[in-house]
Amino acid sequence: QVQLQQWGAGLLKPSETLSLTCAVYGGSFTTYYWNWIRQPPGKGLEWIGEINHSGSTTYNPSLESRVTISIDTSKNQFSLRLSSVTAADTAVYYCARMARGWTYVNSWGQGTLVTVSS
Amino acid sequence: DIQMIQSPSSLSASVGDRVTITCRASQSISNYLNWYQQKPGKVPKVLIYGASSLQGGVPSRFSGSGSGTDFTLTISSLQPEDFATYYCQQSYDTPRTFGQGTKVEIK
Repeated sequence: QVQLQQWGAGLLKPSETLSLTCAVYGGSFTTYYWNWIRQPPGKGLEWIGEINHSGSTTYNPSLESRVTISIDTSKNQFSLRLSSVTAADTAVYYCARMARGWTYVNSWGQGTLVTVSS
Repeated sequence: DIQMIQSPSSLSASVGDRVTITCRASQSISNYLNWYQQKPGKVPKVLIYGASSLQGGVPSRFSGSGSGTDFTLTISSLQPEDFATYYCQQSYDTPRTFGQGTKVEIK
């Protein structure tokens, strides 16, 4: 049974960099896509981007200029960095595992509320 | 980007009702369409993948259909635990876009 456990700073000031890490416990690390998805308070889900075990990334074009997703296969961890945050980046951020093939999320981290406020 | 439009945005229904939620893609996505359920304060949970395949452990009252641009999630007999928000998500191409959600409320 896979578990995703995430952590990172929950309160940022405008222009700072958001940094979150997700550790994967159990299951294969090589046969999935590792994703970040966010959800502003009271709103819907937005896909941020994904990485595979080889380090190949794909980002949402709306965030691509500010996003970096990286992976550390030795620790079974992957990370999100989002630079130059504003209040519009306030959201619950989820790490998530996507199955290959139909590419759906079959495991989620617990979520981290990141608030951007001066 | 492929836009996903769900309808309705919200609905009120009673226990036992048959509920249908639709999701339309801005271009053909074959059957690369997934459905999630999210309860307040909880992480989303996949119900249906590949437009019509039921995820293991999901009750059989949930079903999905459609292909191309038009898709449907049906709950055959609404149960108290089904009151939640439902999202569709296309996995045909990146960015992997979600619908805006349909909130199912108690009538």
